[in-house]
Amino acid sequence: NAGVTQTPKFRVLKTGQSMTLLCAQDMNHEYMYWYRQDPGMGLRLIHYSVGEGTTAKGEVPDGYNVSRLKKQNFLLGLESAAPSQTSVYFCASSSQANEKLFFGSGTQLSVL
Amino acid sequence: RKEVEQDPGPFNVPEGATVAFNCTYSNSASQSFFWYRQDCRKEPKLLMSVYSSGNEDGRFTAQLNRASQYISLLIRDSKLSDSATYLCVVFPMIGGYNKLIFGAGTRLAVHP
Repeated sequence: NAGVTQTPKFRVLKTGQSMTLLCAQDMNHEYMYWYRQDPGMGLRLIHYSVGEGTTAKGEVPDGYNVSRLKKQNFLLGLESAAPSQTSVYFCASSSQANEKLFFGSGTQLSVL
Repeated sequence: RKEVEQDPGPFNVPEGATVAFNCTYSNSASQSFFWYRQDCRKEPKLLMSVYSSGNEDGRFTAQLNRASQYISLLIRDSKLSDSATYLCVVFPMIGGYNKLIFGAGTRLAVHP
């Protein structure tokens, strides 16, 4: 009964380093999303995907890249981390665009 | 003006109290509305959808006022376990899968 699994749960980076966050879902959902959550600002959409092989920009895409090579996986990459990318990142998936979102447990990222 | 606005709180209420939160949205074409609950340092989870006619789930009642562009959440007989942040979520338009908008949340603290 895994649902949506995110790895890693915590990470500390130095400015300029790169990393990839992995999101995996086992519900056969078409839609997958990456959000970031900052204090007082709510969840903001970074990138999303409406199916295998597709990706699109959300509200705050700069500094991030994504890939959806397999339906069950959605990767979020930071090529050159900046302190402004310190945040909590949540992956989510859904069966339809306006249906219930299932979230992963989050990744706390700190960029020093 | 933010697309979705919520009073951040915190709302501090005793057990057994009734408490209500409002959430206003700016896009009159918004089609779907939800309330999510988020516990501290955890992922958001769907509490309930909000239907045009209003809907109830146990102690929780959600209402939509399209004319004034707000949704509300009423919690009756508050429990200690209701302490959490409540996120208002609005889906602005049909097919706009990239625009699921989250409010910043209203924090509720229920005390003995």
